[in-house]
Amino acid sequence: DIVMTQTPLSSPVTLGQPASISCRSSQSLVHSDGNTYLSWLQQRPGQPPRLLIYKISNRFSGVPDRFSGSGAGTDFTLKISRVEAEDVAVYYCMQATQFPYTFGQGTKLEIK
Amino acid sequence: EVQLLESGGGLLQPGGSLRLSCAASGFTFSSYAMSWVRQAPGKGLEWVSAISASGGSTYYTDSVKGRFTISRDNPKNTLYLQMNSLRAEDTAVYYCVKDRFVGAPKFDYWGQGTLVTVSS
Repeated sequence: DIVMTQTPLSSPVTLGQPASISCRSSQSLVHSDGNTYLSWLQQRPGQPPRLLIYKISNRFSGVPDRFSGSGAGTDFTLKISRVEAEDVAVYYCMQATQFPYTFGQGTKLEIK
Repeated sequence: EVQLLESGGGLLQPGGSLRLSCAASGFTFSSYAMSWVRQAPGKGLEWVSAISASGGSTYYTDSVKGRFTISRDNPKNTLYLQMNSLRAEDTAVYYCVKDRFVGAPKFDYWGQGTLVTVSS
């Protein structure tokens, strides 16, 4: 199974400041079709997860442009350019390149 | 508007069985793969099972193989998860998720979840 490792697991951030979350996979996420199925999900308290970013850097419909994704191969990053109060949530990276699909442990974004 | 509505959760004893359902609307259900993802209380996300658009291919995480069965009824726009020989560690909120085996985005829509509690 592909292991997804996120850092940090907790991130206190000041409103208006940037935030960054890293995700590393135990093996390459490049699919045989040439795509890299690395996604980022946001889970606000009491809510189901929501897709933010797919295929490393593509923002899903309705996602604010302060969210961006980057990376390649086994190392990926989610960045929030200026954190807002509504961004308080747990963020998960997820690989859907190979079964079983696997998730990172989650990173809790908190406001300082 | 895409909607996924899970039902069938509840409290049951170890060794029991339960069938979860997910009613889908707002998209062409028969054209998309679907997955079940679970989240134990206070824990992270765990993918459980997936099924192809036609229902001809199914996949499971190792911990549920031989106990859980995913299926779908395309004319009824409904996804199912039959859960047998339930264990305490199966206690979780179970989410129905729109998926696709080819291309992206995957996991673009999630249901609100249904809680399964296995306890004596």
